[in-house]
Amino acid sequence: SAVISQKPSRDICQRGTSLTIQCQVDSQVTMMFWYRQQPGQSLTLIATANQGSEATYESGFVIDKFPISRPNLTFSTLTVSNMSPEDSSIYLCSVGQREKLFFGSGTQLSVL
Amino acid sequence: AQTVTQSQPEMSVQEAETVTLSCTYDTSENNYYLFWYKQPPSRQMILVIRQEAYKQQNATENRFSVNFQKAAKSFSLKISDSQLGDTAMYFCAFMKRHNAGGTSYGKLTFGQGTILTVHP
Repeated sequence: SAVISQKPSRDICQRGTSLTIQCQVDSQVTMMFWYRQQPGQSLTLIATANQGSEATYESGFVIDKFPISRPNLTFSTLTVSNMSPEDSSIYLCSVGQREKLFFGSGTQLSVL
Repeated sequence: AQTVTQSQPEMSVQEAETVTLSCTYDTSENNYYLFWYKQPPSRQMILVIRQEAYKQQNATENRFSVNFQKAAKSFSLKISDSQLGDTAMYFCAFMKRHNAGGTSYGKLTFGQGTILTVHP
């Protein structure tokens, strides 16, 4: 399976600021995804990161709040904008290979 | 829309014993995958096992096996010879099977999770 590196692993941020999370894969992958895991909850898909075009967002998630970049087939970023305490979650990058999904180690975000 | 239900919030088992985690799902799809993921305190999501809905044979990965009952929409995970390192949150998840040009690939629908504790 692909090796997925995600950083930062954790961060504590102030309300109103933005944080960019990076996801690097050791091989080219067509499909990359961003998930959110709120405290004590399971995972919810935020968006599909499409290479060379805009990301495809799930219901309840918007580009202004969660802008995503996908400049090539091995890298993507997710930005959490204008953060509030409700954004405190684990954010996970995921890649698809042979119709299995593999996850990065996640970014633990706390917003004060 | 798909739903996945894990009715056991917490389970515990003694080391070396066997434990079964339950999962049921609801879907109108016929072609899909079911997964079990493990999330230890490190928060890494680790793929444990995958079942393809069109295969009748239950998937097995070393100490992990599933009991897939398609008609009943049931997908349980059996862990044999439990080890302390198996202590984690376990998530059951559903994914529609990829179609060329489809947008559903990668959208996992997760259950609420089951916390498994293995005691020495």
